[in-house]
Amino acid sequence: KQEVTQIPAALSVPEGENLVLNCSFTDSAIYNLQWFRQDPGKGLTSLLLIQSSQREQTSGRLNASLDKSSGRSTLYIAASQPGDSATYLCAVRNDYKLSFGAGTTVTVRA
Amino acid sequence: EPEVTQTPSHQVTQMGQEVILRCVPISNHLYFYWYRQILGQKVEFLVSFYNNEISEKSEIFDDQFSVERPDGSNFTLKIRSTKLEDSAMYFCASSPQGFGNTEAFFGQGTRLTVV
Repeated sequence: KQEVTQIPAALSVPEGENLVLNCSFTDSAIYNLQWFRQDPGKGLTSLLLIQSSQREQTSGRLNASLDKSSGRSTLYIAASQPGDSATYLCAVRNDYKLSFGAGTTVTVRA
Repeated sequence: EPEVTQTPSHQVTQMGQEVILRCVPISNHLYFYWYRQILGQKVEFLVSFYNNEISEKSEIFDDQFSVERPDGSNFTLKIRSTKLEDSAMYFCASSPQGFGNTEAFFGQGTRLTVV
């Protein structure tokens, strides 16, 4: 059974600092990995999709890396802003389903 | 930009009542999913659906749950006799494909409160 762990559980940084969010998974036979953003009480917004054959994916200030063999992914957010405050979820795809981590709750202080 | 739409956004129901949660997936997608998130817990997979059949389901998805695509646009989750522990945010998702390198798109969720 796939287990997804996200460290740290919470993070508070001053505005402008870079963010590093970690995700690890136990079963490396994944098809892809998605990073999502979730605001309190809201839905899931897809940020980045990394295919299993890729090592990295970038979108604006976001960069995600994937090391499938070691079961790790890292999401980097450059020059954080207060609007980046949210919970970030990592999810890996095996077969038809996504398995989610518990998320990292980020607070960016102005 | 195409999006997954869920209704209602919030539903309150009495224990033992039946509820139907509704979703309109993205129009050219072929695979549909339901997930749930109990407050403070991880998002959990419930079921995937393709070609009018369930393709995979979790142990959570017992006989109290059912899914249906009643027409060409809607996808529904029915809970026959709700329990207090069914209180959660329910997310519908869709993807162009099921297996492989396919991105899943999620709706904004329906918050179900069972009293």
